[in-house]
Order: sequence, then C-alpha cells, then structure tokens
Amino acid sequence: DVKVTQSSRYLVKRTGEKVFLECVQDMDHENMFWYRQDPGLGLRLIYFSYDVKMKEKGDIPEGYSVSREKKERFSLILESASTNQTSMYLCASIGSLKGYTFGSGTRLTVV
Amino acid sequence: GENVEQHPSTLSVQEGDSAVIKCTYSDSASNYFPWYKQELGKRPQLIIDIRSNVGEKKDQRIAVTLNKTAKHFSLHITETQPEDSAVYFCAASLSNTGNQFYFGTGTSLTVIP
Repeated sequence: DVKVTQSSRYLVKRTGEKVFLECVQDMDHENMFWYRQDPGLGLRLIYFSYDVKMKEKGDIPEGYSVSREKKERFSLILESASTNQTSMYLCASIGSLKGYTFGSGTRLTVV
Repeated sequence: GENVEQHPSTLSVQEGDSAVIKCTYSDSASNYFPWYKQELGKRPQLIIDIRSNVGEKKDQRIAVTLNKTAKHFSLHITETQPEDSAVYFCAASLSNTGNQFYFGTGTSLTVIP
C-alpha cells in the first residue's frame, strides 16, 4: 500500500511564526498535493507539484509556499502564521490517473 | 476551471434504507470521478470511482452513476449500516491538467440504528 506520512498530527503555533508541515510518500509518485479542509468548504487545493523543484499554485496559495527538493518529500510552509490558517491540512500523492492517497492530516491551531 | 457542487450537505437515513449523494461538474473535459469517504478523525479514503466512458459502476452496496450529458454523477449506498456514517466527498479530474482533483464540499451522512 502507498503510504503518505505527515510528520505531525497536531500542531499549535503562535501568530507570526514560520511553520513547516512535512509530507513524505514511499511510492515514487511524481504528483503531490497540499489541501486544507474546513467545515462547509470541503477540500481546497493550496499547492501541488508534478516533479522535483516544480510547484504550481492551487486555489488558495496566499500565505503559503512549498518546497519539493526530493521526489518523496513535499513541504508546506506558512511564512507568517495567522489565525485564519487554523485548519486541517492534508497531503496527497498520486502516481497515475487514479484516486489520491491521503496522509492522516495535520490539525494546525494558530493562537 | 472546474467547479464541483455536491448535495445535500447533510443526510440522515434509517439503517437499512438507501442514501443518495449527488454532484454536478462544470467542465465537460473532466473524465475521472472518484468518491471518498472520511470517517471522523481519519484521512479520506477512495471508495469507488468512475471514468467518463462508463455510465455505472457497482461494488457491493455502493454504486456510482454518471450522466455526461447533464454533467452530474451520484453515489448510491444501499442497505445502509451505522458504519457508513461519515463525510463523503465527490471529485472530478480534468484530463488536461494532470491529476489535479476538484472536490465537492462534502456530505455528512448519518445512519440511524
């Protein structure tokens, strides 16, 4: 089974801090994605990457950046965390036109 | 870009009854439509999917139908059980944008024992 691992399940950070969310997949997939999940809004795409060092903005990239230095790792960076970035963050991976495999999610609270 | 709408947002059914969740999409180029189930506190899991060259697909108590002309697709769960209680998401994938998925806003299904 494909495994997508997110480094933290729960995270509490202060406003203004720089936050790193890490995601690692073990199936040599080219495509990786970061979503945030909020009640009533579903899953919204923040950034995605088709290859190493390649990134594309999703629907809500403001306040976020990403890094893909190695194929298996896709990091989401909150440059200066704000309270409206409190959310569940889900990483996903896909190797071909088939369903995503999601990570377990990181519930981030910004205080 | 693609826009996926999902209804209803909440659904309660009695155990043993059927549940139907409906989604519409806007871009006729979409050709892959997965459905995800997310139990409380867990990651979304793919439960069934359908491609644009197929009108219906079944897997035990779960079925998905696709109407390309009307640009809508539906999830049908028969003989519902309490363990079917979860949030269900539909999604659509555009053929010319790689594997980016566009998700509906989710349906919270409660099966009442």
